[in-house]
Amino acid sequence: DQQVKQNSPSLSVQEGRISILNCDYTNSMFDYFLWYKKYPAEGPTFLISISSIKDKNEDGRFTVFLNKSAKHLSLHIVPSQPGDSAVYFCAASAQSAGAQKLVFGQGTRLTINP
Amino acid sequence: EAQVTQNPRYLITVTGKKLTVTCSQNMNHEYMSWYRQDPGLGLRQIYYSMNVEVTDKGDVPEGYKVSRKEKRNFPLILESPSPNQTSLYFCASSPDSYGYTFGSGTRLTVV
Repeated sequence: DQQVKQNSPSLSVQEGRISILNCDYTNSMFDYFLWYKKYPAEGPTFLISISSIKDKNEDGRFTVFLNKSAKHLSLHIVPSQPGDSAVYFCAASAQSAGAQKLVFGQGTRLTINP
Repeated sequence: EAQVTQNPRYLITVTGKKLTVTCSQNMNHEYMSWYRQDPGLGLRQIYYSMNVEVTDKGDVPEGYKVSRKEKRNFPLILESPSPNQTSLYFCASSPDSYGYTFGSGTRLTVV
């Protein structure tokens, strides 16, 4: 039972345009959401996060939007740059036995074309 | 440099031969966790630890063991590896369990 789903395995975007990565979740107990970026042969690195009490969080070129009623999360990258080419994982967390339990989506491979 | 260090990076082993993947963090983080990444499944949590001597199962704990005798170390033990444990493994640590710092990964092949 996949509680966090990224339905697009891959996405290709022209350099300079907007990249939009989507994520859906099913568990209404999730209260914190994160995006991680992963390059080949490296571990995932934290990109941006959002609490369930907010609907938007911005950090430079990256903006995360949260629509709680739709249980939908999206990451906008604008403008997209070649260095943004990577696999992006959406993650959601909820309190469980004294810790935030993190659940990841399947990942979306983003390719930025020059 | 603040980091999570995993060893080895690559490992090929045979079915049934016990192995340990080491993980160490230098950030004095309370929380540590092990994940495996498989195609189409994303990262799934194997075990996590909230502090020294406190560990708990994640979503896919079968076939794995962990220990947390010191705050900085969180080894992953496969007592009798099987081919379905062939995967990419990540160790991660966090000060508060909200955001994790990941190691570079260990690619394990069990033949």
